[in-house]
Amino acid sequence: DGGITQSPKYLFRKEGQNVTLSCEQNLNHDAMYWYRQDPGQGLRLIYYSQIVNDFQKGDIAEGYSVSREKKESFPLTVTSAQKNPTAFYLCASSVRQGDEQYFGPGTRLTVT
Amino acid sequence: ILNVEQSPQSLHVQEGDSTNFTCSFPSSNFYALHWYRWETAKSPEALFVMTLNGDEKKKGRISATLNTKEGYSYLYIKGSQPEDSATYLCARNFGNEKLTFGTGTRLTIIP
Repeated sequence: DGGITQSPKYLFRKEGQNVTLSCEQNLNHDAMYWYRQDPGQGLRLIYYSQIVNDFQKGDIAEGYSVSREKKESFPLTVTSAQKNPTAFYLCASSVRQGDEQYFGPGTRLTVT
Repeated sequence: ILNVEQSPQSLHVQEGDSTNFTCSFPSSNFYALHWYRWETAKSPEALFVMTLNGDEKKKGRISATLNTKEGYSYLYIKGSQPEDSATYLCARNFGNEKLTFGTGTRLTIIP
């Protein structure tokens, strides 16, 4: 079955700890994306990658970091510098930048 | 319009009725307009990607139109069914770059 997987579904962390959210795709897509959703807001882009070993900041990259060492994997690290990390995080991929995006099931992160 | 805006925010429609909602976006430097359906407890799923002014696309009972000169797109659902209940998101590519999403229209079909 081709698709995007995100793990875990729910994640709880204490304030001050870094946490890494996993995103894996077996669709052979070049482009991958991380979004954040907060109540009453649209999906906001954190980081995106058009190709392996390359990535760009999105609209709200502060306090986050990513890597793209393999085509199928695009992990997101939420660092302690992120002021409001509690949110729902969605990963997506597309064949190329600008094409329709395929989304994972999301990870709900709660930081207390 | 600086952002992608969707209206209404939420909508309740009787089963069997038809409905439509709007996505407004900046018309400059247009590349593509995307529509996604996001059902509760599932992942957002692409409905349409439209690129040309005057484009009309259809998938079953759902269709969409695009006006890039005035910066709007309409999504139509004919003969609403309970399975149409979802949040409908539109998003615009600025150039061939990242998508900017609207906040969505939450549609509830009343049986």
